Amino acid sequence: KAGVTQTPRYLIKTRGQQVTLSCSPISGHRSVSWYQQTPGQGLQFLFEYFSETQRNKGNFPGRFSGRQFSNSRSEMNVSTLELGDSALYLCASSFKGNSEAFFGQGTRLTVV
Amino acid sequence: QQQVKQSPQSLIVQKGGISIINCAYENTAFDYFPWYQQFPGKGPALLIAIRPDVSEKKEGRFTISFNKSAKQFSLHIMDSQPGDSATYFCAATATNAGGTSYGKLTFGQGTILTVHP
Repeated sequence: KAGVTQTPRYLIKTRGQQVTLSCSPISGHRSVSWYQQTPGQGLQFLFEYFSETQRNKGNFPGRFSGRQFSNSRSEMNVSTLELGDSALYLCASSFKGNSEAFFGQGTRLTVV
Repeated sequence: QQQVKQSPQSLIVQKGGISIINCAYENTAFDYFPWYQQFPGKGPALLIAIRPDVSEKKEGRFTISFNKSAKQFSLHIMDSQPGDSATYFCAATATNAGGTSYGKLTFGQGTILTVHP
């Protein structure tokens, strides 16, 4: 069974640009969550999608958004990038948003 | 109230020793407590998890001890090996009656474990 796949693995963007990250969950999993990981703040929850609907949201500004498609694949978008958005962005999938979540390898975003 | 506090920040043990990492939480609604292991360049991998209805869970060399009254839980790694060197995160979440947590895990700050050969 394939794991959670995130693309791209690495991204370098300039301040003010926008970026889109992609996540393909484990087959059969319908819940996808996104996390931001930084050395200072650790792992922080961004949002969760289930059946194309955002069910839960963390404490991030509106520049961070996401969506989920009918095949459960998810994308997250960050607009008007700031230097502080440099982080590892992790996607986790689970069957129905239950406790057992499996993470992808992440996308390393660097904003210059 | 949503915080999970993890200690120590870093830990060095000798091969064959016992590694112990502690976590404390405040939110009494939390009812699922997983531990994740993360190697450099990789995403966190689920290691072991516990619910408050048991005080201990063991899987191989990994054991979670849970103290509901103290709102604390810990990870014990027995016979620690150099391959266990990684960052360990405790986490917590609240689930509804259907077992759904709506994807939100609250993580501790992580412990960098180094096991010397």
